[in-house]
Amino acid sequence: LAKTTQPISMDSYEGQEVNITCSHNNIATNDYITWYQQFPSQGPRFIIQGYKTKVTNEVASLFIPADRKSSTLSLPRVSLSDTAVYYCLVGVSSGNTPLVFGKGTRLSVIA
Amino acid sequence: SAVISQKPSRDICQRGTSLTIQCQVDSQVTMMFWYRQQPGQSLTLIATANQGSEATYESGFVIDKFPISRPNLTFSTLTVSNMSPEDSSIYLCSVGTGVDTEAFFGQGTRLTVV
Repeated sequence: LAKTTQPISMDSYEGQEVNITCSHNNIATNDYITWYQQFPSQGPRFIIQGYKTKVTNEVASLFIPADRKSSTLSLPRVSLSDTAVYYCLVGVSSGNTPLVFGKGTRLSVIA
Repeated sequence: SAVISQKPSRDICQRGTSLTIQCQVDSQVTMMFWYRQQPGQSLTLIATANQGSEATYESGFVIDKFPISRPNLTFSTLTVSNMSPEDSSIYLCSVGTGVDTEAFFGQGTRLTVV
């Protein structure tokens, strides 16, 4: 499975847009890019998944350049409740496949 | 989607004892996974549990230490045996529905070994 690299931590003020970039230089042709969010004392929760270009849902946007060697999770207008750890994963697009988690990015949103 | 109930949510155990963690899913699922999350760390896969077959363990995890049962398509247990303080972690179960893209996680079991 492709290894990912993300910033260890980020800080943001409420109302700002937050962009978390993930590097995955060894991504395979069949790999998808998936982001999970984990709040303290909870299991990870799926945020978004994409293969190329741009994907948007009600929570976030995911930008993937043409070479797919990196991706950026964009959280619009964050609030205090977005404080969490965000994990970027690369692999097969299926919940039936075991996940390989990297270190994640700890996002702290402050008022 | 899938809703997962994990029990207990937390426990404090004496070293040398064993704890069995239960994972109940509200629908039938083929694959169930057990992860460990040490304090301040990321998640590490312990094993994959398929119904009707032996669990498959990842490197560094062995059946004698982490026996797993998978009696049916909605339930699994993970036992942490002969515990030591190094086993203090959060243990999480996860499932894939085979329909949804994402994996679903339980709330986790926070284990403290004293």
